Formats: sequence, structure tokens, C-alpha cells
Amino acid sequence: KAGVTQTPRYLIKTRGQQVTLSCSPISGHRSVSWYQQTPGQGLQFLFEYFSETQRNKGNFPGRFSGRQFSNSRSEMNVSTLELGDSALYLCASSLGLVSDLKETQYFGPGTRLLVL
Amino acid sequence: GENVEQHPSTLSVQEGDSAVIKCTYSDSASNYFPWYKQELGKGPQLIIDIRSNVGEKKDQRIAVTLNKTAKHFSLHITETQPEDSAVYFCAASKPRNYGQNFVFGPGTRLSVLP
Repeated sequence: KAGVTQTPRYLIKTRGQQVTLSCSPISGHRSVSWYQQTPGQGLQFLFEYFSETQRNKGNFPGRFSGRQFSNSRSEMNVSTLELGDSALYLCASSLGLVSDLKETQYFGPGTRLLVL
Repeated sequence: GENVEQHPSTLSVQEGDSAVIKCTYSDSASNYFPWYKQELGKGPQLIIDIRSNVGEKKDQRIAVTLNKTAKHFSLHITETQPEDSAVYFCAASKPRNYGQNFVFGPGTRLSVLP
């Protein structure tokens, strides 16, 4: 069974631009969560989607948004990029809602975003 | 909100020795505590987890203990091997209706020396 895939793996953008990251969950998984990982702040939860609806959200500004499609694939968008948005963005999938604490989540390899 | 502390930040052990990593959390509503291993260039991988109704869980060389009263939980790796070298993260999570969940510790870089 293929794991969680994320595209692109690496991305360079400049301040003020916007970016869209993509995540394909494990086949059959319906929940997708997004995380930001930085050396300074560590791993931080962004949001979780299930059945095309955002079910849980972390403490990030509105510049960070996401969506989920009917095939469970998810995209994350960051608008008006700032230098501090440079990070590894990780996607994780699970069968059901991870935030209901019933399901294990499996992480993808991440997209490394560099904002210049 | 929830705060998760993790110690030590770095840990070096000789191959075959045991390694222990400790985490404390602040929110008594947290009731699920997973541990992840992250190797270079990869995403975190779940290695073991424990729920609040259990005090200890073991899976081969890996074990986790939980003390809900003291709000701390620990990862124990016995008979360490070089392939155990990685960054380990603990996390604390609470049910969705309690708000934001899955707060991670800052990580522990474990080096197993051959």
C-alpha cells in the first residue's frame, strides 16, 4: 500500500507570493491533517480535514488555509508569504478523525518551503 | 493551552544500552500520548502510543509509561541499535471538543554509538 505522498518536495518562493501544497493520503484514508515543522517552534498543528470539511484548526493566521477534495486529497495554501513561513510542511492521513483520538495518523515526507 | 516539555534535548548512548526520554504535559484533558520517530529527510513515524486508561504499554524493545497524576509519560528503548538514531517526538492530544489537539514536544535527538 502506497504511503502518504506530498508534492512538491521542495519549493522556493519570495515574500508576498502565495503557495499551494498538495497531499495524497493513503488509499482509503479519509482524514488529512497538516503540520508545520520549524527548528524554533517544532511541530505545530495547522488543521484537519475529513469528508471535505475542516474539523479542527490550530492557532495559525488566516493566511493559512486548506481544502479537501472528494477523493480525500488535500491542498494547503499560504498567501502573502513571510520569511517566517519557511518550514517543512507535513501532511498526515488516517482512516477517521485523528482528533477523535480513535485513529492513528501516518505522515508523509513533507514539503520543504523556503521563503526568500 | 496545552504545553508539552521533553527532556533531554539530545541523548547519546552506547549500542546495547537503554535510552529513556521523558515528557510532561500541562492539560489534564489530554488523554492520548503518541511517540514519533523522525529520520533525516522523512516525516515522523508513529512508534508507540498510550491512552490515559493504561499505565504502561510495550512493543518489543519499546515501552511507554504514563503517570496521569504527575502528568508525565516516558519512552523507554532497550537494547538500542544504531538504526534507533533519530529525533523522537512526544505528543499530547485531547478530544476534539476540547479545542486544539496534538501538541508536540520539542524533540530529542538520540544517537546510538556503535
